[in-house]
Order: sequence, then C-alpha cells, then structure tokens
Amino acid sequence: EIVLTQTPATVSLSPGERATLSCRASQSVSSYLAWYQQKPGQAPRLLIYDASNRATGIPARFSGSGSGTDFTLTISSLEPEDFAVYYCQQRRNWPQLTFGGGTKVEI
Amino acid sequence: EVQLVESGGGLVKPGGSLRLSCAASGFIFSTYNMHWVRQAPGKGLEWVSTITSGISPSTHYADSVKGRFTISRDNANKSLFLQMNSLRVEDAAVYYCLGTYSSSSDYWGQGTLVTVSS
Repeated sequence: EIVLTQTPATVSLSPGERATLSCRASQSVSSYLAWYQQKPGQAPRLLIYDASNRATGIPARFSGSGSGTDFTLTISSLEPEDFAVYYCQQRRNWPQLTFGGGTKVEI
Repeated sequence: EVQLVESGGGLVKPGGSLRLSCAASGFIFSTYNMHWVRQAPGKGLEWVSTITSGISPSTHYADSVKGRFTISRDNANKSLFLQMNSLRVEDAAVYYCLGTYSSSSDYWGQGTLVTVSS
C-alpha cells in the first residue's frame, strides 16, 4: 500500500502570500499524482493531475511539480477563495486511489 | 450538465445494513469507471470501492470494507450502488460517488451521510 504524507498539516497565511504544500509518497508513484481542493460542505475539486497539469478551469496561480516520491503544490498568490483543505492523491496503484491526510490553508 | 446525486444515507445501528445509490446524468455513464470515496466527520478522504466500465466490469475494495460492502452498477439506468452490510461505528462518514474517465477530469456527487450508532 502506498502511503501519502502531507506537510504541513496546517499553514497560516495571508491573501497575496505564496503557499507551498508538500506531499511525499512511501514509494514511487511516478507522475501519477493529483491535487484536490475541498471547501467545507463541498465535494473535492480536481486542481492538478499527472503531477503538474492544471485541470480545466483552474487558475494559473495553482501549479504542481515533482515526480517519484516528492511533490509540491504551489499557490503563487493566495486569493480569499483559496483558503481550504488540499489533498494529494496517488493513481499509480489504480484503482486504489490513496489520499494524503490533507493540508489546511487558513488565514 | 453533469450531475451525480447520492441517496440512501441515514442512521443505522452497528451490525445493520444500508444501500447507497448514485444517479448519474449529463455524461456517458457506461464508459466511466465509478468509485465510492468516504470522509469521516472532520477527517480526510478514504477510497472505498471501484467498479470499472465495460461489458464485464471488475470490482475492487479497500481492505477496511472487503467482505462487507458490495459495489454494483446499472448502466441502463445510469446508477451506481453500494450495499453496506455489517456496518461498524467507524464506517460513519459522508459517502461520495465519483466518476472517472481519464486523469484530467472527474465528477463528484455532493455526498450522502451515513451515521452508525446505537
């Protein structure tokens, strides 16, 4: 089983600041990694797929990087609507769609 | 417009059963792999089960539900199901229906709440 560890668990930032979220896999997932955003009471929303590709309609301030075991989601300049919980998900062991524990981005 | 609408959640006693449904519209349901993902209150996301597309779909389960949950689909009626038996307190969660076709997009329902309590 592939375990995904996200750090930090919580990060406190202000609008306009840069957010850097990390996801580490217990074994290589190649580039089969996605990032999701979830707001309270809502379903998750796909942001990034295949480690670095933005999903349709996702603003350019969101970017993903990494391969193998270490991945990063960067939000270049936080907007008020970006304060949410972010999850990474591995798809290397499809259909076992393992998720990380999440990082909460708070004001 | 794509829609996935879950139903069937509710309060059940430990050891009881529940059947969740997910009604799909706005996309070619039969060509999508379908999944159930759950989220316990205040916790993260957990993959539960997958049923693949195609004439002979295969099913897959998380170890935590194997032998107790059964996933199925009805392509003619564009529906996904999850039969949950021998429910435990730790199965309490919001259950999301998820459809995937390629890595670049997916569709999520809004979830249905399952509460397991005596």
